[in-house]
Amino acid sequence: DADVTQTPRNRITKTGKRIMLECSQTKGHDRMYWYRQDPGLGLRLIYYSFDVKDINKGEISDGYSVSRQAQAKFSLSLESAIPNQTALYFCATSETNTEAFFGQGTRLTVV
Amino acid sequence: GDSVTQMEGPVTLSEEAFLTINCTYTATGYPSLFWYVQYPGEGLQLLLKATKADDKGSNKGFEATYRKETTSFHLEKGSVQVSDSAVYFCALSELVGGGTSYGKLTFGQGTILTVHP
Repeated sequence: DADVTQTPRNRITKTGKRIMLECSQTKGHDRMYWYRQDPGLGLRLIYYSFDVKDINKGEISDGYSVSRQAQAKFSLSLESAIPNQTALYFCATSETNTEAFFGQGTRLTVV
Repeated sequence: GDSVTQMEGPVTLSEEAFLTINCTYTATGYPSLFWYVQYPGEGLQLLLKATKADDKGSNKGFEATYRKETTSFHLEKGSVQVSDSAVYFCALSELVGGGTSYGKLTFGQGTILTVHP
């Protein structure tokens, strides 16, 4: 099983719908991240959490919210999806002195 | 704020050719530098890293040297293979907590590499 698991892997949703992307990890790391990947823009940080009680906005948090349900679980929500939120979304985890480990990504299409 | 700039792609090479992907950065402190690779349909995985000036990171035939004077971390490989076809991301992480831990990663825009037989 993968160390960082994202569900769903692919999702098509309509404009205005609420959608949740889920991430779980078995690495025992305290730190978790949500990134968005767009062609030509690399990965941009949406939200990050350095422990269960710590939630921080990244560079592009508008239109998104997160929930850290446990050390192993970090969910990303789009309260009212819009087409320019169509992208590939990645969850990642790390420890204080390690590199980040990424999930396989969720491809979200908003129509 | 911190930023990372990679050479524009895509890059197309023949097998056994020499590869260079340029990466420069802007940071307020003394960051650690990383190269991540993304194979088709997969998430990112760490390729190599360097944590201080003049360090050389290496893995799978790839190398990159942390050059503080030119704020660069260029990726090189002497002889590429078809299996190296992927997207390559340069990234940095500032040290926080009094220099004891990595902060969040800042990525470049990615460079698509295609290697033909």
